[in-house]
Amino acid sequence: ILNVEQSPQSLHVQEGDSTNFTCSFPSSNFYALHWYRWETAKSPEALFVMTLNGDEKKKGRISATLNTKEGYSYLYIKGSQPEDSATYLCAFTTDSWGKLQFGAGTQVVVTP
Amino acid sequence: SQTIHQWPATLVQPVGSPLSLECTVEGTSNPNLYWYRQAAGRGLQLLFYSVGIGQISSEVPQNLSASRPQDRQFILSSKKLLLSDSGFYLCAWTPMVLTDRVWAEAFFGQGTRLTVV
Repeated sequence: ILNVEQSPQSLHVQEGDSTNFTCSFPSSNFYALHWYRWETAKSPEALFVMTLNGDEKKKGRISATLNTKEGYSYLYIKGSQPEDSATYLCAFTTDSWGKLQFGAGTQVVVTP
Repeated sequence: SQTIHQWPATLVQPVGSPLSLECTVEGTSNPNLYWYRQAAGRGLQLLFYSVGIGQISSEVPQNLSASRPQDRQFILSSKKLLLSDSGFYLCAWTPMVLTDRVWAEAFFGQGTRLTVV
C-alpha cells in the first residue's frame, strides 16, 4: 500500500493570514496528484490535478506546487478567509485507471 | 451538466443486517465509478472501482461487495454488516476518456453516514 502523508493534521489561521501545508507521496510510479477541498456537509470538490514535475496551479487565492522527484506538493492559501475553512485532501493516482490514494487531510479553520 | 446522486444520506443498521447503498450518475456515459470509505479518524480509502457494466475490481478484502447493473448505476452491498463497516461512504465518478483518464478529476456524491449498532 502506497502511503500519502499530509501535514499538519489541522491548523488554525487568522483571517487575512496566509498559510500552507504539505502532501508527500511515493515518487515512483507517479501519474497525477490531486487536491480536493471538503467542506462540512458537502462533497469533496477538486481544486487541482497536477501531472508534471514543477507544475504550479492557481485558483483565486489558492495555489499548489508539485515536485514529483522528491514526492511532495504544497498547497498555499493567501489571505485566508472564513470560507476557506475546510479539510484539504491530496490524492495520488497510482495507475492509469484513476484510482486515488488519499491522505488523511489537513483541516483548516479560519477565524475572523 | 453531470450530476451524481447517492442515497441514503444516513443509515443506522444492526449488526448482521444487510446493506444496500446506491449511486447514480447523470449527464455522462461510460463513467469510471468508485466507492470510497472514510473510517473514523482516517482518510478516504478506495473500496471498489468499475470501468463498465458488470466489471468490478476490489481494492481491499472486506465484508462488502459492489455491483454495476447499469452503465450509470453503482451499488454497494453487504449480506451481514459488521461493526467495523461503520463509516462514511462516498461514491465518485471520473470521465471515461482514454487520454484524459490519468488526470481526470473525480466528482463525488454527498455521501452516506453508516452506523452499525
